[in-house]
Amino acid sequence: DIQMTQSPSTLSASVGDRVTITCRASQSISSWLAWYQQKPGKAPKLLIYKASSLESGVPSRFSGSGSGTEFTLTISSLQPDDFATYYCQQYNSYPVTFGQGTKVEIK
Amino acid sequence: EVQLVESGGGLVQPGGSLRLSCAASGFTFSSYEMNWVRQAPGKGLEWVSYISSSGSTIYYADSVKGRFTISRDNAKNSLYLQMNSLRAEDTAVYYCARDGLATSSFDYWGQGTLVTVSS
Repeated sequence: DIQMTQSPSTLSASVGDRVTITCRASQSISSWLAWYQQKPGKAPKLLIYKASSLESGVPSRFSGSGSGTEFTLTISSLQPDDFATYYCQQYNSYPVTFGQGTKVEIK
Repeated sequence: EVQLVESGGGLVQPGGSLRLSCAASGFTFSSYEMNWVRQAPGKGLEWVSYISSSGSTIYYADSVKGRFTISRDNAKNSLYLQMNSLRAEDTAVYYCARDGLATSSFDYWGQGTLVTVSS
């Protein structure tokens, strides 16, 4: 199985900050990577697919980059609505696997 | 509007069974691959099972293989997860999630249904 490792596990930031979350795959997954945002008690929401494609309706302050084994999610200017947990997911092959999550907290 | 609505969760004793359902609307269900994903309390996301649009291809996580069965009824726009021999570690919120045709990732999720396995 492909293991996904996110860092950091927790991130404290202020409104307006630029935030970067990293996701590493245990083997190459090409660009078959997605990023999700999850708020407490809610289902995950797709933000980015194919490593860098922005899902329809998602604000442009979210961006993704990378290929192979190293990927990043960047929030260019953190907004109050962005405080949440973020997960990466590889869908290069089954079993699909998720990173352990990164919680973005208010500083 | 795309909607996925799960039902069937509840409290069950270890070794028991439960059948989850996911009712789909707002899209052509028969054209889409579907998945079940679960999340234990306070934990991360774990993919559970996949079924192709026709139901001919199915995958399971090792943690549920031999105990869970995924199925679908395209005429009823419904996805199912039959869960047998339940264990305490199966306690989680179970989500159904659609595989996007363009995105190939999980573009729509239901609200989830809680399964609690406890005596």
